[in-house]
Amino acid sequence: SAVISQKPSRDICQRGTSLTIQCQVDSQVTMMFWYRQQPGQSLTLIATANQGSEATYESGFVIDKFPISRPNLTFSTLTVSNMSPEDSSIYLCSTLGTSGNNEQFFGPGTRLTVL
Amino acid sequence: GESVGLHLPTLSVQEGDNSIINCAYSNSASDYFIWYKQESGKGPQFIIDIRSNMDKRQGQRVTVLLNKTVKHLSLQIAATQPGDSAVYFCAENMGDMGRRALTFGSGTRLQVQP
Repeated sequence: SAVISQKPSRDICQRGTSLTIQCQVDSQVTMMFWYRQQPGQSLTLIATANQGSEATYESGFVIDKFPISRPNLTFSTLTVSNMSPEDSSIYLCSTLGTSGNNEQFFGPGTRLTVL
Repeated sequence: GESVGLHLPTLSVQEGDNSIINCAYSNSASDYFIWYKQESGKGPQFIIDIRSNMDKRQGQRVTVLLNKTVKHLSLQIAATQPGDSAVYFCAENMGDMGRRALTFGSGTRLQVQP
């Protein structure tokens, strides 16, 4: 399994500002995923980030609002731009396991509160 | 702090009893299914998986059952313990057909009473 860390673990931000969340994996991985988990809800995929290519965004998510970087095979960032209270969520980074079975492993999440 | 699963359906069981958590999925093309456990303040933790060519798989104290006819997945936890209290999510994907990212179900909160 992959060990995934995220920074920051939590933050409280003012509306209109932006926050960049970092995700570090302890091994080289091709595919990384960013999910959002709104309060009391399940996980929703924001985008898939592959190293060396543009991130692929899911319906309802756009690059201007959630720019993603993937500079190498162990690291990715997600920026939540021009935040509003509706962006208050847990943001989770994830990657595939190496067994070939498509299981995904998750970071601990970044708990964002927008005032 | 804010908890995961505040508005999710809740299953309450006595310690030592068996728990059954159910999940319905919608995509008949899905061929891989996973159960995750999420404790408050943590990311989802892998519990057990099953491929669509199987209808049952057992792990340590857990069993996953898959009924493709009615698109239903269940997680059985034997001898439930207080440490099993968490939110449980099923997830699916069509891994071999190109969609590698998981689609998550709505989740169930399991409360174990001592």
